[in-house]
Amino acid sequence: GAGVSQSPSNKVTEKGKDVELRCDPISGHTALYWYRQSLGQGLEFLIYFQGNSAPDKSGLPSDRFSAERTGGSVSTLTIQRTQQEDSAVYLCASSLRTGGVNTEAFFGQGTRLTVV
Amino acid sequence: AQSVTQLDSHVSVSEGTPVLLRCNYSSSYSPSLFWYVQHPNKGLQLLLKYTSAATLVKGINGFEAEFKKSETSFHLTKPSAHMSDAAEYFCVVTFTGGGNKLTFGTGTQLKVEL
Repeated sequence: GAGVSQSPSNKVTEKGKDVELRCDPISGHTALYWYRQSLGQGLEFLIYFQGNSAPDKSGLPSDRFSAERTGGSVSTLTIQRTQQEDSAVYLCASSLRTGGVNTEAFFGQGTRLTVV
Repeated sequence: AQSVTQLDSHVSVSEGTPVLLRCNYSSSYSPSLFWYVQHPNKGLQLLLKYTSAATLVKGINGFEAEFKKSETSFHLTKPSAHMSDAAEYFCVVTFTGGGNKLTFGTGTQLKVEL
């Protein structure tokens, strides 16, 4: 596609429910990132996929959070048993790897998650 | 390990005066550095990037940044601020070798006053 696409754009869920957030990266981009941005805060790294390598999960805040990337393209971020502190904008980005270096990342518009 | 520090969480300037947003990085390898801008309720947009070519990098909207290896800095400047520049700015580092993960600074909120 023309850009990184995220769905849904907004999600309101009840505390304790599971949610799935989807990211469609730019075609051909081997790197995919998930970040979250809480109100008035910077970007918090969650997870990073690079090609067929094992993902860097070092930013996932708890075992309630998981992500997968199927076929090296679409990624899904799953949050189980959501808590109010999970409320944030979840951003996905993708980038192209050239000569062993990731070029600039292109960001989606984000999914605004509200846990009530 | 790599890290990036944005020294000012908030910067306020008058319209028409110069802008300086500071960024220092730490990396064991050759870094690639980026500045992104985020306007209120908008997505992140790339302003400019440094990837080991010219050390003075020009970006969109009149912004530029200079890579100074000896100072491990990549400060963002603009000669004359415009009201439309009011936004949050993020300095980002990645590097060849290792994970290539993007590491974001905590952001600088730029306010432009009349």
